[in-house]
Amino acid sequence: AQSVTQPDIHITVSEGASLELRCNYSYGATPYLFWYVQSPGQGLQLLLKYFSGDTLVQGIKGFEAEFKRSQSSFNLRKPSVHWSDAAEYFCAVGARASYDKVIFGPGTSLSVIP
Amino acid sequence: DGGITQSPKYLFRKEGQNVTLSCEQNLNHDAMYWYRQDPGQGLRLIYYSQIVNDFQKGDIAEGYSVSREKKESFPLTVTSAQKNPTAFYLCASRSITDTQYFGPGTRLTVL
Repeated sequence: AQSVTQPDIHITVSEGASLELRCNYSYGATPYLFWYVQSPGQGLQLLLKYFSGDTLVQGIKGFEAEFKRSQSSFNLRKPSVHWSDAAEYFCAVGARASYDKVIFGPGTSLSVIP
Repeated sequence: DGGITQSPKYLFRKEGQNVTLSCEQNLNHDAMYWYRQDPGQGLRLIYYSQIVNDFQKGDIAEGYSVSREKKESFPLTVTSAQKNPTAFYLCASRSITDTQYFGPGTRLTVL
């Protein structure tokens, strides 16, 4: 079955600390992978995406993610968290031209302590 | 600026009423989507449309209807048959690079 899991429902970090949000997927085809961020009451904003090539991808706001095929993972990282990073983060997986098969994880809520 | 707009931002519905949520995009994307988001859950696909005058049911289409008469517009109607419509509704469009872009959302509350 196709699925995306985000093992951490909620994470709290101190401002300036490093961050890693976990994402694991199960998908039949070669996956396209995405990370989105959502502030309260807002839509989803694309942080970064992986389609092919270099397995370490850079995104906006200082985020990066690493695709590990052997572990079926696509973890999101940031070396130093800012208070404005507090939000909900969603991992998603899709496939080339597969219009209905984008699957979203349940999300990880990030709180940042000043 | 190109983007996706949704209106209204907040919508209140009485039981038994149909309501329509608007979604407009000027990104020239062919594919558009409607998702429902409930607290603590990910996004669930309601309907999607690959091209004008064509649309497909998603995972939770019961109680919803859509139309796609123009490339730019993909309105969603929440009918009285939807038993639990209170939720946050997100519209998205998909680029030719297979990336979805989202609107700001509409929060629907049943009174």
